[in-house]
Amino acid sequence: TQLLEQSPQFLSIQEGENLTVYCNSSSVFSSLQWYRQEPGEGPVLLVTVVTGGEVKKLKRLTFQFGDARKDSSLHITAAQTGDTGLYLCAGVIAGSGGGADGLTFGKGTHLIIQP
Amino acid sequence: ETGVTQTPRHLVMGMTNKKSLKCEQHLGHNAMYWYKQSAKKPLELMFVYNFKEQTENNSVPSRFSPECPNSSHLFLHLHTLQPEDSALYLCASSQVASQGSYGYTFGSGTRLTVV
Repeated sequence: TQLLEQSPQFLSIQEGENLTVYCNSSSVFSSLQWYRQEPGEGPVLLVTVVTGGEVKKLKRLTFQFGDARKDSSLHITAAQTGDTGLYLCAGVIAGSGGGADGLTFGKGTHLIIQP
Repeated sequence: ETGVTQTPRHLVMGMTNKKSLKCEQHLGHNAMYWYKQSAKKPLELMFVYNFKEQTENNSVPSRFSPECPNSSHLFLHLHTLQPEDSALYLCASSQVASQGSYGYTFGSGTRLTVV
């Protein structure tokens, strides 16, 4: 059983369209992060959300943390070809003890933006 | 040099070989991690080091042996690996504070192929 379920697994849309990808769990997370990974490279941190209901914006990207801290979404407005990549959500399970926290990852959403 | 640097970027090794992966972070972080990324699977946490002390070993086979001589360097020693160990091995670092870890930064990874 996957602790963090991401959907959709694959998404291909035209440049200029809007899209939303989701990250869901039955567990509560003390924090949740979104990463973007390009082929042959490591994941690059986009945002960290820590408060239930929190919304953060990064240019055309909007991230939301669910009120119960069990889910999150990433919305991209007017997608560009440069947004193509693997989007990963990862989190620290609440009550996991603090200190150095290993992250639990979802499988990711492969996003392709067609010109 | 900035960020997290991993060497080598690519490694092909036979099942009877012994090799080591190296990771160096230039961020002043106090925690370092090894993750394994295989096709169609989420990133899997392997080892966690907090202030040079190993705090987590996620049931990793003994053919993988980590070493953390100081808070800036992390090694993964490999011996008698199996073909199913072929994957992208990612190193990460973070800063541990009382409320948890932040500033997670990944290296570009070592693409390992076991033949």
